Amino acid sequence: GQNIDQPTEMTATEGAIVQINCTYQTSGFNGLFWYQQHAGEAPTFLSYNVLDGLEEKGRFSSFLSRSKGYSYLLLKELQMKDSASYLCAVRDGWGGGATNKLIFGTGTLLAVQP
Amino acid sequence: DADVTQTPRNRITKTGKRIMLECSQTKGHDRMYWYRQDPGLGLRLIYYSFDVKDINKGEISDGYSVSRQAQAKFSLSLESAIPNQTALYFCATSDSSDYGYTFGSGTRLTVV
Repeated sequence: GQNIDQPTEMTATEGAIVQINCTYQTSGFNGLFWYQQHAGEAPTFLSYNVLDGLEEKGRFSSFLSRSKGYSYLLLKELQMKDSASYLCAVRDGWGGGATNKLIFGTGTLLAVQP
Repeated sequence: DADVTQTPRNRITKTGKRIMLECSQTKGHDRMYWYRQDPGLGLRLIYYSFDVKDINKGEISDGYSVSRQAQAKFSLSLESAIPNQTALYFCATSDSSDYGYTFGSGTRLTVV
């Protein structure tokens, strides 16, 4: 089956660092994505990992370990506008019934407090 | 103009009515998707299409149908709407070289 787990909610303080974890078990793997979604709005692309290691993009970094089925999104220097849901998604690859589409976790709602 | 446009943005309809949600894109992507989003359940795939002649069911296709009228247009229909189809619906597009999806702004559908 397909399973993507991430915490439901997290709280952090403005200016701090927060790490949002994601674990996955999918029938195939062809990349892991992180999206940000503000309430009532469309998800927007944050990062993409297909190889093990850390990808850094400004205040956001994402890490992947394929052997452990694990990723995290690291947000530094938190700002109030970072309050949003963060969605972890796995692209399931090809073959064995998989068709290279995204499977989403339920999202982590991050609240940034002053 | 937005790359992926969904209409309507908001809709309230009555139980039993037929309703169509429309999606059009200017990205030139061949792949299009319909997802619904419910609190606590995340984004769930309803239908997807990899080209005009290719339509596939997702994990929750019961009660829905789709039409891919052209490469740029992908419509979702609820033949007889029921209250548990109240949700936020997203259309998304991708191509084989893209890193991920481009989402439309969403349609908030309420069935009363």
